Amino acid sequence: DTGVSQDPRHKITKRGQNVTFRCDPISEHNRLYWYRQTLGQGPEFLTYFQNEAQLEKSRLLSDRFSAERPKGSFSTLEIQRTEQGDSAMYLCASSDLRSSYNSPLHFGNGTRLTVT
Amino acid sequence: AQSVTQLGSHVSVSEGALVLLRCNYSSSVPPYLFWYVQYPNQGLQLLLKYTSAATLVKGINGFEAEFKKSETSFHLTKPSAHMSDAAEYFCAGPNQAGTALIFGKGTTLSVSS
Repeated sequence: DTGVSQDPRHKITKRGQNVTFRCDPISEHNRLYWYRQTLGQGPEFLTYFQNEAQLEKSRLLSDRFSAERPKGSFSTLEIQRTEQGDSAMYLCASSDLRSSYNSPLHFGNGTRLTVT
Repeated sequence: AQSVTQLGSHVSVSEGALVLLRCNYSSSVPPYLFWYVQYPNQGLQLLLKYTSAATLVKGINGFEAEFKKSETSFHLTKPSAHMSDAAEYFCAGPNQAGTALIFGKGTTLSVSS
């Protein structure tokens, strides 16, 4: 169990640019989640995948956001035409629902995005 | 709607003192709840989880939490605080569909010597 890995750890970009983040979940975990966390707040759910299928998207996930999980392994989250309001920590988590419906989420260390 | 509410955004204790962090959930939340801890610039680490097997749940680092259905609470406690406990703590429970976790706004714990 090598844990959930996220890359990059930090990203600074100018408003209007596109950014892409990567998440490698714990191997064999069938669910992968993306959350966003802003200063002083708890993580807010964005979307989740079961294997390669994206099953739910939050209203927070505007049209500028897109997530993929090809082959049910790693996932990418892309933000197009970034805005200053996109500045946040983007957290990835995975879980194994085959063992239990209430399996906890295992989080990566996040990608901190700063839009200037 | 499902909700998880943490009372008190900041709690300060002295080293060796009792730690009590409060969490209340909406009554429609299915009975499984979690506490996570977050250290600066890191992701969230699971402290403990309640899954209806026992109302008193023991977690890592000496923390425990008690599920009280009558009070819709799941407060986190530790008998004696250590400096290393200083961090942000989040209570979480399932959303209405049971597909993801919703988190409280967090409580920052400060420990002074």
